[in-house]
Amino acid sequence: DIVMTQTPLSSPVTLGQPASISCRSSQSLVHSDGNTYLSWLQQRPGQPPRLLIYKISNRFSGVPDRFSGSGAGTDFTLKISRVEAEDVGVYYCTQATQFPQTFGQGTKVEIK
Amino acid sequence: EVQLVETGGGLIQPGGSLRLSCAASGFTVSSNYMSWVRQAPGKGLEWVSVIYSGGSTYYADSVKGRFTISRDNSKNTLYLQMNSLRAEDTAVYYCARDPHMDVWGKGTTVTVSS
Repeated sequence: DIVMTQTPLSSPVTLGQPASISCRSSQSLVHSDGNTYLSWLQQRPGQPPRLLIYKISNRFSGVPDRFSGSGAGTDFTLKISRVEAEDVGVYYCTQATQFPQTFGQGTKVEIK
Repeated sequence: EVQLVETGGGLIQPGGSLRLSCAASGFTVSSNYMSWVRQAPGKGLEWVSVIYSGGSTYYADSVKGRFTISRDNSKNTLYLQMNSLRAEDTAVYYCARDPHMDVWGKGTTVTVSS
């Protein structure tokens, strides 16, 4: 199975400041069809997960443009340009390139 | 509105069975890949099973042989039949639309305990 490793596991951030989460996969996530099926999910407290970013850098419908994704191969990053109070929660990277789908451990974003 | 609603969770004794349902609206289940994902208390996300639009099914090793994913096209509903339940199956179970998991239900809680 592909192991997804996120850093940091906890990220205290000041409101209005940027935040960055790294996700590293144990194997390349480039699929044979040429796509890289790396997504980022947000889970607010008490809520189900919500898709933010898919295929590395595509922002899902309704997701604020302060969220951005980048990376390639085995190294990926989620950036929040200016953290707002509603961004508090746990963020997961996930890969669907290779069976079985796997998730990172999650990174908790909280306000300082 | 595109929506998924899970039902069927509850408290069950070890060795028991439960069937979870995931009713979809706003899109057709049979035209999509659909997954079940679970989250144990205080833990991260774990993929459980997927059914492809063509009908192929796949399972995590932890549930293979005990869980069965299926769908009823006439009801536009996804199911997860869970047999031989263990304490470690205790979790919130979510259904999600693949391949990007762009639609999630609110989840249903399964507690396996004597």
